[in-house]
Amino acid sequence: ETGVTQTPRHLVMGMTNKKSLKCEQHLGHNAMYWYKQSAKKPLELMFVYSLEERVENNSVPSRFSPECPNSSHLFLHLHTLQPEDSALYLCASSQDRTGGGGYTFGSGTRLTVV
Amino acid sequence: QKEVEQDPGPLSVPEGAIVSLNCTYSNSAFQYFMWYRQYSRKGPELLMYTYSSGNKEDGRFTAQVDKSSKYISLFIRDSQPSDSATYLCAMPGSYIPTFGRGTSLIVHP
Repeated sequence: ETGVTQTPRHLVMGMTNKKSLKCEQHLGHNAMYWYKQSAKKPLELMFVYSLEERVENNSVPSRFSPECPNSSHLFLHLHTLQPEDSALYLCASSQDRTGGGGYTFGSGTRLTVV
Repeated sequence: QKEVEQDPGPLSVPEGAIVSLNCTYSNSAFQYFMWYRQYSRKGPELLMYTYSSGNKEDGRFTAQVDKSSKYISLFIRDSQPSDSATYLCAMPGSYIPTFGRGTSLIVHP
């Protein structure tokens, strides 16, 4: 399997649930990203991992918790989410943190919080 | 001022038209420029990548960069209904890439 794979494709969760999104890249890239995409809004960068170093958007609530066990896998742990967190969550990777060569995106996880 | 400005549209054109999509940016340090295409319910896919001023052509697509004006364009010739999607411009950066908000394009038969 090639490219960036995200699971699950769709997720419906209650506000008290805990769930995790998974991303896996088969490109040998060294940087991975989590983005949030809401309707009619720009892509919002949430977290960046590059060679085990993490950079985060300070505006991201603590109910979102990333984990990057190695350069090929990225998780986004979710707990006590709010309805406004419903969005498309995209994972991306690039060769390195400079983004040279471009970013490769997964198909995303469509999250609905009820 | 936002780092990247892109008109969200929607831009509606008839099949066969020439489409012009544009972005302006404010950070003169940007050296690389990309265009992504995103179909509904899918992740963005890299369409064009350029790192210099001037034109780059790939089939029906031409990417144009004017660094002096901080202006980039994507031209689509002989547009097809299958080109209907959202087009995002992007500039890579150290850790933090910058994306435009995307322009929604509708090509009607």
